Amino acid sequence: GENVEQHPSTLSVQEGDSAVIKCTYSDSASNYFPWYKQELGKRPQLIIDIRSNVGEKKDQRIAVTLNKTAKHFSLHITETQPEDSAVYFCARADRGSTLGRLYFGRGTQLTVWP
Amino acid sequence: DVKVTQSSRYLVKRTGEKVFLECVQDMDHENMFWYRQDPGLGLRLIYFSYDVKMKEKGDIPEGYSVSREKKERFSLILESASTNQTSMYLCASSFSRLRSNQPQHFGDGTRLSIL
Repeated sequence: GENVEQHPSTLSVQEGDSAVIKCTYSDSASNYFPWYKQELGKRPQLIIDIRSNVGEKKDQRIAVTLNKTAKHFSLHITETQPEDSAVYFCARADRGSTLGRLYFGRGTQLTVWP
Repeated sequence: DVKVTQSSRYLVKRTGEKVFLECVQDMDHENMFWYRQDPGLGLRLIYFSYDVKMKEKGDIPEGYSVSREKKERFSLILESASTNQTSMYLCASSFSRLRSNQPQHFGDGTRLSIL
């Protein structure tokens, strides 16, 4: 119901390659999907978000895609760099769940090797 | 930029002590949240609040309580600290209780060790 499944839990790529992290959910009332990046010892920071009326959003080397029918959304990072190494969290919010609550995935540790 | 400030980066307490973790935000946000972060378990919601003196239980409220006496300040209280409460605690805030599609803004976290 409420959980967000996030895969993979760890991901290692070579610098310059692409990285893809996928999240799935089951609640069809979900209408907002933010992604957070947490560097070691730092706070989670919002890097991109998408609303349910949009299928794709891009910001330089990062993009998020949403498939409402299949109930999954993905983060795509192209031309990865060592500074992309971090833990990435996906999250979702319910249309009917106000009070600002977000439901988070368990995170993906991305390592980019130079 | 939104500023969410947690009073301590590191804290060491003893079993059985009453522990207070403080969080302040400067953007007049209505919603405030307390999470704990443990390796492999992600961010788990302890309690949240959408207004002064209002609180809602999250997924793991046992052993914790909260206080929101002023809009900008949200306190997490460990009534009688135990070793299994050793963790990283993150505070967050968001703008409005009436909106679902809004991000949360996080503080730097408090790493709490209970000995």
